[in-house]
Amino acid sequence: SQTIHQWPATLVQPVGSPLSLECTVEGTSNPNLYWYRQAAGRGLQLLFYSVGIGQISSEVPQNLSASRPQDRQFILSSKKLLLSDSGFYLCAWSVGGLAAYQETQYFGPGTRLLVL
Amino acid sequence: SQKIEQNSEALNIQEGKTATLTCNYTNYSPAYLQWYRQDPGRGPVFLLLIRENEKEKRKERLKVTFDTTLKQSLFHITASQPADSATYLCARGGFQKLVFGTGTRLLVSP
Repeated sequence: SQTIHQWPATLVQPVGSPLSLECTVEGTSNPNLYWYRQAAGRGLQLLFYSVGIGQISSEVPQNLSASRPQDRQFILSSKKLLLSDSGFYLCAWSVGGLAAYQETQYFGPGTRLLVL
Repeated sequence: SQKIEQNSEALNIQEGKTATLTCNYTNYSPAYLQWYRQDPGRGPVFLLLIRENEKEKRKERLKVTFDTTLKQSLFHITASQPADSATYLCARGGFQKLVFGTGTRLLVSP
């Protein structure tokens, strides 16, 4: 069966510090991968998605970046965190391929980030 | 742009009643809509998918409808229980991604 891991579960970082959040998927190959952010009491905001190694699509221009160094690994980074980067970060995967838009997304447990 | 709109106000109902949540979309009808459940501090969990050519889909106490004329999907939970309390998200398909609504919080009182 497939599983998705995210770490860390919670993170408190000072403004201006770097960020690296990691997401890995097990039990599937060539998945589509997604990074979302959810501010307190708000909806899901898609940040990045990837359909393959090294292929990243950005949805929202900001000081975050994403990378996919391996098929089942997705990393969210920032060089300098802002207060507004606080939120709940969720990684998700779906079956890849041309019909990927039809597929269910499976979410990780999330990382709660607080920037002070 | 394609938008998904859900009632941002919480829905409060009594245990045993039927909860009905609404999802409205703009522009052209999506090929399908998906519904997810999200508990506080957790990632969303997939519940049901309904395709454009399906009027209704059922799964245990859950029922989803898709009305392309009204550009609306309704999500019903029959015989609701306090354990059904959560935020329910609607999503429409886009190229390689889903577009989520902001979700509606459901509170079921014993």
